[in-house]
Amino acid sequence: AQTVTQSQPEMSVQEAETVTLSCTYDTSESDYYLFWYKQPPSRQMILVIRQEAYKQQNATENRFSVNFQKAAKSFSLKISDSQLGDAAMYFCAYRSGETGANNLFFGTGTRLTVIP
Amino acid sequence: KAGVTQTPRYLIKTRGQQVTLSCSPISGHRSVSWYQQTPGQGLQFLFEYFSETQRNKGNFPGRFSGRQFSNSRSEMNVSTLELGDSALYLCASSLAVDSGANVLTFGAGSRLTVL
Repeated sequence: AQTVTQSQPEMSVQEAETVTLSCTYDTSESDYYLFWYKQPPSRQMILVIRQEAYKQQNATENRFSVNFQKAAKSFSLKISDSQLGDAAMYFCAYRSGETGANNLFFGTGTRLTVIP
Repeated sequence: KAGVTQTPRYLIKTRGQQVTLSCSPISGHRSVSWYQQTPGQGLQFLFEYFSETQRNKGNFPGRFSGRQFSNSRSEMNVSTLELGDSALYLCASSLAVDSGANVLTFGAGSRLTVL
């Protein structure tokens, strides 16, 4: 079974600074998708960014970018110019591209605090 | 475009009771998945429905069940509630199932407390 590991339970960053959240995963599949979801206190999970494993280019979405290292099975999230609204739980997630299943495997999350 | 709507948002039950949670997906989305979120176990996949059929199921006891209606709305039911069933139950919908580009959109969840 696929496992997703987030080794940083909590992180903090000064407003306007940059922070990187770590995620590693374990899989024997070659076709898969990786996601970062954000869960603010309102509890609604919001998609931040996604990465297709077959793409070597790292995904970017405005201030959010990933460092995808397929051989190392690493998928870190970089948040640039951090804003107060970025404070939330961040979850890394994996979905198989081979089974057709629509379920996500989540990491345990990283709580990000943004310091004004 | 309305998002994924879950009802009720909060509910309190006692052990032994049963509960039904509802999820209305985004219009046009035919796949609905359910997840349980607890502090101890994190986010765990419960089951997924597509076109009124359960396609995948996570590792949960038979007390957890679900169904999907012809309009893609889904319900999940937990019978004989236990204290450990206290959790945030999240529903997610997506446009298709067998598409690698498929993205799940989550609702705000239903917070269940079992006393």
